[in-house]
Amino acid sequence: SQELEQSPQSLIVQEGKNLTINCTSSKTLYGLYWYKQKYGEGLIFLMMLQKGGEEKSHEKITAKLDEKKQQSSLHITASQPSHAGIYLCGAVYYGGSQGNLIFGKGTKLSVKP
Amino acid sequence: DSGVTQTPKHLITATGQRVTLRCSPRSGDLSVYWYQQSLDQGLQFLIQYYNGEERAKGNILERFSAQQFPDLHSELNLSSLELGDSALYFCASSVSGNPFWNSPLHFGNGTRLTVT
Repeated sequence: SQELEQSPQSLIVQEGKNLTINCTSSKTLYGLYWYKQKYGEGLIFLMMLQKGGEEKSHEKITAKLDEKKQQSSLHITASQPSHAGIYLCGAVYYGGSQGNLIFGKGTKLSVKP
Repeated sequence: DSGVTQTPKHLITATGQRVTLRCSPRSGDLSVYWYQQSLDQGLQFLIQYYNGEERAKGNILERFSAQQFPDLHSELNLSSLELGDSALYFCASSVSGNPFWNSPLHFGNGTRLTVT
């Protein structure tokens, strides 16, 4: 089974609305990365979280890692068309192979003007 | 622009053939990673090199091989290509060899491989 689950798989929101994307791990994370990908393009690094309870913000995007380090959420405030794309979480696990980021399958976000 | 350069952008080839994908990491980055992205499997880690040495191996097929050269650029060689190898291949680079050390991966724009 998939170690890292993202929900929802896809999301359509009206411009200006807030939204949340979740990333849930079946085991404790060492750290978690969030990336954004535009269709057919490379991944853009957004944020990295490592401590339980940690929260980071960049412009209108806030990411949190829960205290147990098994779930992360990405929250976008007042969404804009420029936020559209695929959001991927990538996990680093304790004892995992170095360099081996495990990615979720992504959440496809569409923002209607 | 991530600073990671991948060539070519697109590649169309026939089954049974061999291709080479090239990656130039960001200036100063010592680690190079290769990932395969397909619709059904998502983003899958293939292999990592750090300063010329293989550091970690993921779901890389025996038909695939990679290397990192002294100037730190990397090549991914795919041989005996099958239809199922059609995918987007990404290269990423980072400063350290270990993402545990707060060293995010920066991705190139990928090479889209189509096997016909």
